[in-house]
This record gives sequence, C-alpha cells and structure tokens, in this order.
Amino acid sequence: QLVLTQSPSASASLGASVKLTCTLSSGHSNYAIAWHQQQPEKGPRYLMKLNSDGSHSKGDGIPDRFSGSSSGAERYLTISSLQSEDEADYFCQTWGTGIHVFGTGTKVTVL
Amino acid sequence: EVQLVESGGGLVQPGGSLRLSCAATGFTFSNYWMSWVRQAPGKGLEWVANINQLGSEKYYVDSVKGRFTISRDNAKNSLYLQMNSLRAEDTAVYYCTREKTGRFDAFDIWGQGTMVTVSS
Repeated sequence: QLVLTQSPSASASLGASVKLTCTLSSGHSNYAIAWHQQQPEKGPRYLMKLNSDGSHSKGDGIPDRFSGSSSGAERYLTISSLQSEDEADYFCQTWGTGIHVFGTGTKVTVL
Repeated sequence: EVQLVESGGGLVQPGGSLRLSCAATGFTFSNYWMSWVRQAPGKGLEWVANINQLGSEKYYVDSVKGRFTISRDNAKNSLYLQMNSLRAEDTAVYYCTREKTGRFDAFDIWGQGTMVTVSS
C-alpha cells in the first residue's frame, strides 16, 4: 500500500533552517513526490517535484531558500533563512496506478 | 496568468446533490490531466478524482465511487464534479488542480477552493 509518512510538527528560529521529511512506504522507495505549502487560511501552493535521485523542479516564483533532496525512501524539504511567511503546513504528495496519496502534513512554526 | 477558479459550493442536505465547476485560464486546458482534491475542516488533503485530457479515462477514491462523477468540457476550459448522495463526511473545501505533465503527476496548479457543507 502506497503511504507517505510525515512528522506532525517542526520549528526553527527566524533566519535558521529546517528540514522536513516525507517517508515512502516499503516497496515504493523509487517514487517521485511533490511538496506543497499551505499558509493559514489559504489554498495549497505547489513548491516542487522531487525525484528519487534528488533532482527537482520548482514551481514558478518559489524562492531559492526552498530545496529538495532524497535518500532511499526519504524525501526532504529544506527551508533556509526561515521567514515569518514560511509558517505553514507542508504536505507531500505521490501517485501510483489510479491513485494520488498525500502525507498528513507537517506544521512548521517559526520561533 | 495561469489560474483555476472553482465555483458551485454551498450548503446542502444529506442525500442531496451539488455540481462544482472549475474555470481554467492561462494555459492549454485540453493538454492536461485534471483532479479534484478536498480538505475537511482542520484536516489534511485527500485526492477525490481525476480525468484525462479527452475525458475518456477517470479515476476515483473509493469513498466517492458511484456517487461522484468528474467531467470536463475542453471547449469551455472547464472541469466539473457532480456530487450525488452527499454525506456529512463530504463536507470540505474542494480544490481543482492541474497534473503537471502526464498521467498521474504532481499537482502544479491549485485553485482557491470552494466550500461544500453537508448538513441538515
């Protein structure tokens, strides 16, 4: 079964970095994922598509502070130089035959 | 500007029906798979259904099979979701999304969402 696992919360200080993890279920370690940001009271916004080899393609206008990387079944989103507007929920998404799957999301708090 | 704008949400009684629409602008709508994704209040995201470029291939999450129907009109650059036999658990914000390049891919464009409330 295709499942994505995310930690419920993460926090870091203004100007620091935070690394979020999205873990693919067993047998799906070669799957690509996408990262999406959802700021409070807003709809989601596409950040990037991240492949198993760590290559990624970002959405239009996404700052360089957002980067992605991969290791085995884990997919990472690193936000550098944290700003107040980065306080949001971050969801990972993947897809298989006939289905799309989302992780439960990580709430990022900027201290 | 690439944009998706949903409409058609509202309050409906259990067992009722509602039709959501999504207007696409700024890109060649007929070239893309499209999806509906929903988010219940205070919850995460759940994919609902998608459709291929010609409308000949459709997929649904198990919980809506037989009740919801996704469709599109490429001449009108529009996506639809017909929702029948609505239940309280269908209460959510419904988002229209574009799939990035091919058959099942990242959602790279999102609409602002339309709220559906199922309640008596």
